[in-house]
Amino acid sequence: GAGVSQTPSNKVTEKGKYVELRCDPISGHTALYWYRQSLGQGPEFLIYFQGTGAADDSGLPNDRFFAVRPEGSVSTLKIQRTERGDSAVYLCASSSRHLAGGTDTQYFGPGTRLTVL
Amino acid sequence: LAKTTQPISMDSYEGQEVNITCSHNNIATNDYITWYQQFPSQGPRFIIQGYKTKVTNEVASLFIPADRKSSTLSLPRVSLSDTAVYYCLGVGNMLTFGGGTRLMVKP
Repeated sequence: GAGVSQTPSNKVTEKGKYVELRCDPISGHTALYWYRQSLGQGPEFLIYFQGTGAADDSGLPNDRFFAVRPEGSVSTLKIQRTERGDSAVYLCASSSRHLAGGTDTQYFGPGTRLTVL
Repeated sequence: LAKTTQPISMDSYEGQEVNITCSHNNIATNDYITWYQQFPSQGPRFIIQGYKTKVTNEVASLFIPADRKSSTLSLPRVSLSDTAVYYCLGVGNMLTFGGGTRLMVKP
């Protein structure tokens, strides 16, 4: 089947604007993750959904960042009042994980490159 | 969360075996050790995962000693297309990526 898809692939916005980034996980995957990756660094965890609920949002840097997954499938990462420091690649991953710990193979999308001017 | 330490970069030549070792001194009892590969402009891709001893798949082998404080990813006979960044992770409640190892395979 299809893998994880993310739209848009690139987003350029101005400082202070609002942006939404979309993630379509693999069909049937209950777990969905958002990460942020800056140039030359590893991905940084933002938030993890199990079904419709955010099981762990400890990685969200501040209250300008918010994510939803209303029907347990597609997720949207929302960033308010964007700042230049928000520029990064935003990665989404999904897995069939049901329980904490143990094995968990995550399948990543290609990411959305956000540039805040 | 398992904090990991791995070499920043490695160079190799086509056809050689490459071993990348990762230290994870505080790995939790229920954490699995997982390795991901990432090419430029792509998301990370799962390579292999294990809990202890040795795991082998069609792509790589993973060696984990009894104390589980380190692991070694072994790539047999690398090719130019194996040039990428490799991340080792302790998988618990989330994936905590370190800086990864940039592997450069030369002709």
